[in-house]
Amino acid sequence: DQQVKQNSPSLSVQEGRISILNCDYTNSMFDYFLWYKKYPAEGPTFLISISSIKDKNEDGRFTVFLNKSAKHLSLHIVPSQPGDSAVYFCAASARTGRRALTFGSGTRLQVQP
Amino acid sequence: DGGITQSPKYLFRKEGQNVTLSCEQNLNHDAMYWYRQDPGQGLRLIYYSQIVNDFQKGDIAEGYSVSREKKESFPLTVTSAQKNPTAFYLCASSFRTGRSNQPQHFGDGTRLSIL
Repeated sequence: DQQVKQNSPSLSVQEGRISILNCDYTNSMFDYFLWYKKYPAEGPTFLISISSIKDKNEDGRFTVFLNKSAKHLSLHIVPSQPGDSAVYFCAASARTGRRALTFGSGTRLQVQP
Repeated sequence: DGGITQSPKYLFRKEGQNVTLSCEQNLNHDAMYWYRQDPGQGLRLIYYSQIVNDFQKGDIAEGYSVSREKKESFPLTVTSAQKNPTAFYLCASSFRTGRSNQPQHFGDGTRLSIL
């Protein structure tokens, strides 16, 4: 049972345009959401997070939006750069219990020059 | 320079052998985690530890064992009981969550292959 889903395995955008990566979740106990960027043969790098008490968090070119009623979050990258090309993972943790992360399966973003 | 060090980067194991993956952090983090990544999939939790001398099973703990004798170290042993050990293994750490959430930070991983 996938509690965190990234339904788009890949996304291609032009340099300078907006990249929108989507993530859906099913567990209503999740209260902390994160986005990680990963290159092959490396560990994920933390990008940005959002707590369930907010609906938006911004850090430079990266903005995460959370829609709790729809159990949906998205990562916006504006403007997209070729160096943003990587696999992006959405992750979530629950307010009770272990606090380990539950990951989606990832979306491969390719930014075309 | 603070960070998480995993070694070795590549590891080969013969059938029936146990093998231990190292994870060391100098971030003064309390909690440490082991994840496994298979091709085309997200990361799945193997074991985690919130404090020294305590650890808990994750979602796919069968065939694995861990220890947490020091705050800085959380080695993972892949035993011969693990039927499909070939994967990319990632170690992570974080401060213990209290009043605020804390992101996990990852090492660069160890790729384990069976000969």
